[in-house]
Amino acid sequence: DAGVIQSPRHEVTEMGQEVTLRCKPISGHNSLFWYRQTMMRGLELLIYFNNNVPIDDSGMPEDRFSAKMPNASFSTLKIQPSEPRDSAVYFCASRPGQLHQPQHFGDGTRLSIL
Amino acid sequence: GIQVEQSPPDLILQEGANSTLRCNFSDSVNNLQWFHQNPWGQLINLFYIPSGTKQNGRLSATTVATERYSLLYISSSQTTDSGVYFCAVAGISGGSNYKLTFGKGTLLTVNP
Repeated sequence: DAGVIQSPRHEVTEMGQEVTLRCKPISGHNSLFWYRQTMMRGLELLIYFNNNVPIDDSGMPEDRFSAKMPNASFSTLKIQPSEPRDSAVYFCASRPGQLHQPQHFGDGTRLSIL
Repeated sequence: GIQVEQSPPDLILQEGANSTLRCNFSDSVNNLQWFHQNPWGQLINLFYIPSGTKQNGRLSATTVATERYSLLYISSSQTTDSGVYFCAVAGISGGSNYKLTFGKGTLLTVNP
């Protein structure tokens, strides 16, 4: 079975540019999560979708960040404009609808903003 | 929110040694997962274990939910076990019972 698929694996861009990270959850999973990992703050939840609807976006750092889930098999996390402090590893995870199930993580996108 | 503490923060072993990693958490949980982050940055799901004991090869885990801790055992360690081990929990209380809160991790180095 295919796991959670994220693209790109690595992204290097200059500050001020728009960055779009992509995620394909595991088929049949209707909960999707975006996490960010930094040295200073560790792994933190950015946003949680259930059945394509954003439920909790309290972890989104500021208005430059936005996330969408137009259908059950695709989500994007966009940063516009990007800043050097956005450099981090961004993980997407998915889970079946039931609460008592593990979250499955993608391989992450390593983002570097110069 | 729920607090997660992992110990030890760092651990250095010789190949073949056994080790125990600990995770303490501050509230009742409906989800507890152990992950291994390998040198390539991938988060590998080791166990989903909100309670009880599970084993997978050389690895096993035990969660004592009533006492709010979990242990990860690694036996006959290999160099490929090196990396950071994370414990992550989702608390029952409050409105964010879906949200995984991660500990700071244990950095394990296994020397040949």
